[in-house]
Amino acid sequence: SSELTQDPAVSVALGQTIRITCQGNSLRNYYASWYQQKPGQAPILVIYDKNNRPSGIPDRFSGSSSGNTASLTITGAQAEDEAAYYCNSRDRSGDHWLFGGGTKVTVL
Amino acid sequence: QVQLVESGGGVVQPGGSLRLSCAASGFTFSSYGMHWVRQAPGKGLEWVAFIRYDGNNKYYADSVKGRFTISRDNSKNTLYLQMNSLRAEDTAVYHCAKTTPGDINYFEHWGQGILATVSS
Repeated sequence: SSELTQDPAVSVALGQTIRITCQGNSLRNYYASWYQQKPGQAPILVIYDKNNRPSGIPDRFSGSSSGNTASLTITGAQAEDEAAYYCNSRDRSGDHWLFGGGTKVTVL
Repeated sequence: QVQLVESGGGVVQPGGSLRLSCAASGFTFSSYGMHWVRQAPGKGLEWVAFIRYDGNNKYYADSVKGRFTISRDNSKNTLYLQMNSLRAEDTAVYHCAKTTPGDINYFEHWGQGILATVSS
């Protein structure tokens, strides 16, 4: 099926490491990208392609992929990392793009 | 720096039309594919449409195909989304997004978005 699945919510203690996953068949063909969105703001690209970070994104953000699962890891989570995170990839058909349902990250 | 500014939103009755615009600056607009992405109130992101840098390839989400039309005017550095036969479920904040250099699959920069409300 053409969809990307994410856990709705996760929490992490300040300074600890968290991994957010995204599952879908399209990830066997295309790399995922990850977007951070804080309330009332536009999404921001944090990881794209194999494991690339746009300029200005801290290196505590990293990405990986295996089979039908992509992961976003935050190593040493900070209070400002509290946000919703969305994965995205192109659909296997090549003419659609998909977003996961989003994961709300709470930093305790 | 890259700027994307949407306009044209508002309130429209079911069955009506709206035309959204996205004014681009800070980069060579004619060299980049562009997407529209929407977000219904309290919901997640939904991809809507894509247009290639030269306007020759266009793709649409199944939920809008046949009702929405994406277009661009490279001489005006502007992206458009013509929305017809609007439904209540089209109510959302609509964002335009610029792709990364050399790859249309990633949404490198986003506009702040514009709200379109479909209601009687």
